[in-house]
Amino acid sequence: DGGITQSPKYLFRKEGQNVTLSCEQNLNHDAMYWYRQDPGQGLRLIYYSQIVNDFQKGDIAEGYSVSREKKESFPLTVTSAQKNPTAFYLCASSIDRPISGNTIYFGEGSWLTVV
Amino acid sequence: AQSVAQPEDQVNVAEGNPLTVKCTYSVSGNPYLFWYVQYPNRGLQFLLKYITGDNLVKGSYGFEAEFNKSQTSFHLKKPSALVSDSALYFCAVRDMRRSQGNLIFGKGTKLSVKP
Repeated sequence: DGGITQSPKYLFRKEGQNVTLSCEQNLNHDAMYWYRQDPGQGLRLIYYSQIVNDFQKGDIAEGYSVSREKKESFPLTVTSAQKNPTAFYLCASSIDRPISGNTIYFGEGSWLTVV
Repeated sequence: AQSVAQPEDQVNVAEGNPLTVKCTYSVSGNPYLFWYVQYPNRGLQFLLKYITGDNLVKGSYGFEAEFNKSQTSFHLKKPSALVSDSALYFCAVRDMRRSQGNLIFGKGTKLSVKP
């Protein structure tokens, strides 16, 4: 099946620990995104990538890092600098940048909890 | 400033009745508007979008939305609600600030359909 796969579904982080969320897509999409979802706040953009080896900060990039070494993969690292990382994280992709109205499609999400 | 508002945190509807989930937007230039649905603990599913053309847009699962430029609205509608429509609904507008056209999301409206 074509789609966006996020793993793990649930992840627990200890204080001071970095963790990495995986996102893989087999849709042959150029653009990929990471969003954070908190209750009652909708979705906020963390990072996006229009093409391999290129990525840009979104609205809430502090404490996060990404890489885009392959077209299919866009992992997100939540660093110890992110003071409030407990949230639902959503990876997404689009065939190209949505400036022309291309639809953004989402994965099933990953829950990150600080313990 | 680019923004999208969903004025109702929750909408309650009886099964079989028509439903409306409201969305208003504020953008410079022509808006590209989207509706997504999210079931508990899942990612977002694309329902429909308005790019240009007819003001009435038809989408998945019997949903439709009406674009009203004078009222800057893009309300989601369905003629006959199902219990299975109960979910969180997000309206989104293309962010004109960024060349890659990321989406700005509303805070979401919880739809509850009672039998």
